[in-house]
Amino acid sequence: EPEVTQTPSHQVTQMGQEVILRCVPISNHLYFYWYRQILGQKVEFLVSFYNNEISEKSEIFDDQFSVERPDGSNFTLKIRSTKLEDSAMYFCASSEARQNTGELFFGEGSRLTVL
Amino acid sequence: GEDVEQSLFLSVREGDSSVINCTYTDSSSTYLYWYKQEPGAGLQLLTYIFSNMDMKQDQRLTVLLNKKDKHLSLRIADTQTGDSAIYFCAKDNAGNMLTFGGGTRLMVKP
Repeated sequence: EPEVTQTPSHQVTQMGQEVILRCVPISNHLYFYWYRQILGQKVEFLVSFYNNEISEKSEIFDDQFSVERPDGSNFTLKIRSTKLEDSAMYFCASSEARQNTGELFFGEGSRLTVL
Repeated sequence: GEDVEQSLFLSVREGDSSVINCTYTDSSSTYLYWYKQEPGAGLQLLTYIFSNMDMKQDQRLTVLLNKKDKHLSLRIADTQTGDSAIYFCAKDNAGNMLTFGGGTRLMVKP
């Protein structure tokens, strides 16, 4: 069964460092998303991406964050100058369509620990 | 803003039915979802219901939607130890921007 894959599964970084989290969405999907879950808190929407540009973003997704589809398969989340409060599980997701069809598939997440 | 709430914890015995509840404040959604998260794993889509439906059944899973009370529930029949996980309800906003509840940890005792 097709799946969304994410790397790394866990990354530890020093505060102020840049981090890139990578995702390979399901191959025929056109819409890509990042969500995050701070430990003990709710899963929160960060950003959606389609046709090489951001479709929607939440207030969490400030100038510290950026997303990119550098090639035909990868979808990346870059966090510049990480802060302690960026420590969270980051989930990538993809879907075939933008309209809510009930088919949003998540990866297993990348745990980011900022020290 | 939108708020989705769930109870934190549910404990049941193997073979019993589990009912996980979710309430929300904003009724403007097309779909409502249930996701399962096992330890160390991602969010697995279990089932979803279209907002003009009251009930959806999928094998051991039954979803009930009460739009008047803004209440969603997930019933798991014949709960097994493998069902132990965190269950998240979620509702859509525009463009697959989901708002999640805080998750209910289901513990199944043998």
